[in-house]
Amino acid sequence: TQLLEQSPQFLSIQEGENLTVYCNSSSVFSSLQWYRQEPGEGPVLLVTVVTGGEVKKLKRLTFQFGDARKDSSLHITAAQPGDTGLYLCAGAARGTSGSRLTFGEGTQLTVNP
Amino acid sequence: NAGVMQNPRHLVRRRGQEARLRCSPVKGHSHVYWYRQLPEEGLKFMVYLQKENIIDESGMPKERFSAEFPKEGPSILRIQQVVRGDSAAYFCASSPPSAGTYGYTFGSGTRLTVV
Repeated sequence: TQLLEQSPQFLSIQEGENLTVYCNSSSVFSSLQWYRQEPGEGPVLLVTVVTGGEVKKLKRLTFQFGDARKDSSLHITAAQPGDTGLYLCAGAARGTSGSRLTFGEGTQLTVNP
Repeated sequence: NAGVMQNPRHLVRRRGQEARLRCSPVKGHSHVYWYRQLPEEGLKFMVYLQKENIIDESGMPKERFSAEFPKEGPSILRIQQVVRGDSAAYFCASSPPSAGTYGYTFGSGTRLTVV
């Protein structure tokens, strides 16, 4: 069973601060995705990273895929209250069709005004 | 609306009744997945289906739970003889064949409460 561990589990910060969320595994993934979920809604895809070492930027969010494709990080610069939500990483197993994704437990982020 | 449609959004059932949760995938998506989520927890995989086939049901309890994705119509997650422990949010997602590349599109979920 491939597991994804996210840290921290909970994070509460003030508006304007920077933060990093981590997603780690002992398994290699062919790709890794980040989702954000708001209360009462389903998760929404933010980004997919495919190549080891890849870095993608989405406004104030920076996503990185580890060189060995076992881990990933999400960095948010100057966090805003609108960034509040549950951040989930999900991996597609290497060597499969990639259709079934394994999800981490999530990081619950609260940005206080 | 091009998204995944789930209904009902909220469902209340008494212990012992049946719950039927429906999911219409994004048009053109052939893969459907069901996940369960408890408050402040991550998503737990239940079942992965393609049209008329169950591909992986390793996350689904062997008793009382069943899922289908018929040739025509929505995917159905069926829970028979519900118990209080079945109370949770159930999310459906759909994808094209390469979910690892394109990701999942999730519905807004069905919140099941067993009283």
